[in-house]
Amino acid sequence: KAGVTQTPRYLIKTRGQQVTLSCSPISGHRSVSWYQQTPGQGLQFLFEYFSETQRNKGNFPGRFSGRQFSNSRSEMNVSTLELGDSALYLCASSQRLSYNEQFFGPGTRLTVL
Amino acid sequence: KQEVTQIPAALSVPEGENLVLNCSFTDSAIYNLQWFRQDPGKGLTSLLLIQSSQREQTSGRLNASLDKSSGRSTLYIAASQPGDSATYLCAVDGNQFYFGTGTSLTVIP
Repeated sequence: KAGVTQTPRYLIKTRGQQVTLSCSPISGHRSVSWYQQTPGQGLQFLFEYFSETQRNKGNFPGRFSGRQFSNSRSEMNVSTLELGDSALYLCASSQRLSYNEQFFGPGTRLTVL
Repeated sequence: KQEVTQIPAALSVPEGENLVLNCSFTDSAIYNLQWFRQDPGKGLTSLLLIQSSQREQTSGRLNASLDKSSGRSTLYIAASQPGDSATYLCAVDGNQFYFGTGTSLTVIP
């Protein structure tokens, strides 16, 4: 079974631009969660989508948004990029059953110049 | 808000030693606790998941325990190897996942 895939793996953008990251979950998984990882803040939860609905949201500004498609693939969008948005963005998929084991993708490394 | 702490932040041990990594959390209302390892610049690899009703889980040289009432979990690694060098993260599932800051482990050959 294929794992969680994320594209692109690396991105370089400039301040003020916007960016879209993509995540394809493990087949059969309906939940996709997004996380931001930085050296200073560690891993922080952005949001979770389940069956195309946002199930939960972390404490991030409205510039961060996401969506999930009927095939469970998810996209995350960041508008008006700031230098502080430079981070490793990770997505995780799960079946969202009672044991809810999360499986992570390799991440997208975003650098904002 | 759930807070997850991992001690120590960094650990260096000689190959072959047994070791324990600690994870503590402030809110015991959790569904699961999951341990991960992360290699530099990479994603997270799931090691063990303990459901809230369980006390421990084992996989190979790894054993994780959970004491919900005291808000603690430990990850025991037996006979450590250089390939175990990585950052180890614990995460508690309380409707969303809260991660600790990790323990950076170095196993010296």
